[in-house]
Amino acid sequence: AQSVAQPEDQVNVAEGNPLTVKCTYSVSGNPYLFWYVQYPNRGLQFLLKYITGDNLVKGSYGFEAEFNKSQTSFHLKKPSALVSDSALYFCAVRDASGTYKYIFGTGTRLKVLA
Amino acid sequence: EAGVTQSPTHLIKTRGQQATLRCSPISGHTSVYWYQQALGLGLQFLLWYDEGEERNRGNFPPRFSGRQFPNYSSELNVNALELEDSALYLCASSSDRGGIDTQYFGPGTRLTVL
Repeated sequence: AQSVAQPEDQVNVAEGNPLTVKCTYSVSGNPYLFWYVQYPNRGLQFLLKYITGDNLVKGSYGFEAEFNKSQTSFHLKKPSALVSDSALYFCAVRDASGTYKYIFGTGTRLKVLA
Repeated sequence: EAGVTQSPTHLIKTRGQQATLRCSPISGHTSVYWYQQALGLGLQFLLWYDEGEERNRGNFPPRFSGRQFPNYSSELNVNALELEDSALYLCASSSDRGGIDTQYFGPGTRLTVL
């Protein structure tokens, strides 16, 4: 069965420090992986996606993610965190079985401390 | 270009009533997805419509239903409302049929069942 795991409910990081939000997946076939961010009382905003090619994907607002096939991971990273990055982050994988469902992780709340 | 829009923003109903939520996709997008985001549960896939047809549904009872209109807008209907239906309902659209294109989300409808 396809699944996505975000092992941390919350990540705290000091402003200016690098941040990592973890995501691991289980999917048959080639994975299509996504990161979204949700600010309070808002819908989800697309950050970046991995379809194929370079394992390091660059996205919006200075975020990037590294696809690691051997570890089945797709961790979200940013070299220098901003207080404004504080939000709820979701990892998602596109179901490759033909049903075309998107499976979302449970979300990780990122708190950047000034 | 206008993004995905949803109405109403908030909806308050009582147990046993019916709720109707509406979504207008980005112009040119033919696929519409519905998700339920209940507190602490992440995003749960509800329904996927494409070209006017229901293509897939998540693990929800039949009282959750919907439709897609010829202009690709969509309605989500929830019958016989229960307290646990209280959640943020998110709509997303994409331009290809369950392919690898990005889903873009609306701001959501907050449904409260009293």
